Amino acid sequence: DGGITQSPKYLFRKEGQNVTLSCEQNLNHDAMYWYRQDPGQGLRLIYYSQIVNDFQKGDIAEGYSVSREKKESFPLTVTSAQKNPTAFYLCASSKAGLGELFFGEGSRLTVL
Amino acid sequence: AQKITQTQPGMFVQEKEAVTLDCTYDTSDQSYGLFWYKQPSSGEMIFLIYQGSYDEQNATEGRYSLNFQKARKSANLVISASQLGDSAMYFCAMRELMNTGFQKLVFGTGTRLLVSP
Repeated sequence: DGGITQSPKYLFRKEGQNVTLSCEQNLNHDAMYWYRQDPGQGLRLIYYSQIVNDFQKGDIAEGYSVSREKKESFPLTVTSAQKNPTAFYLCASSKAGLGELFFGEGSRLTVL
Repeated sequence: AQKITQTQPGMFVQEKEAVTLDCTYDTSDQSYGLFWYKQPSSGEMIFLIYQGSYDEQNATEGRYSLNFQKARKSANLVISASQLGDSAMYFCAMRELMNTGFQKLVFGTGTRLLVSP
């Protein structure tokens, strides 16, 4: 079945540690996105990528980094510079950057 | 910048009844798209329905319909014959074109729907 796989589903880390969240898609979509979700708020865009080896900052990119070395993969690193990293992270993809977004099941990061 | 407003933090409905979830938007673009997503407690976002700004008819997908009132800038989701499995968070979103010519979705804060037996 085609879809988006995010891992891990739950992650606990100490302050000051970098964390990498995995996102893999087999939908053959060009565009991929990372969103952050906090309680009582909607989703906010962190980074997006239109094609391989290219990505752009979204609305809240500070403290995060990404790479897009393969079409299928768009990992997100939450660095120690992110001041409030505890959140639910959702990866998404879309065909040619238009139309509906397909989402993964999310990764819940808790920083202790 | 575009903005989506969902004023209902929570809604209750009895099984088999219809419910309307409100969404208003603000944009200066002539061409735009509106989406509704469902988020169950498991966390994934499930696409429900889409309405383009130039679509003359309201979108429908099974038990979901979108009450699109362009002049009022509203795009309310109507769920008919509610089921227990409809209990979830519901998000309204709008497509925004960025300077790169690429789209992103701007989301509202969501409405939590609880369906009771």
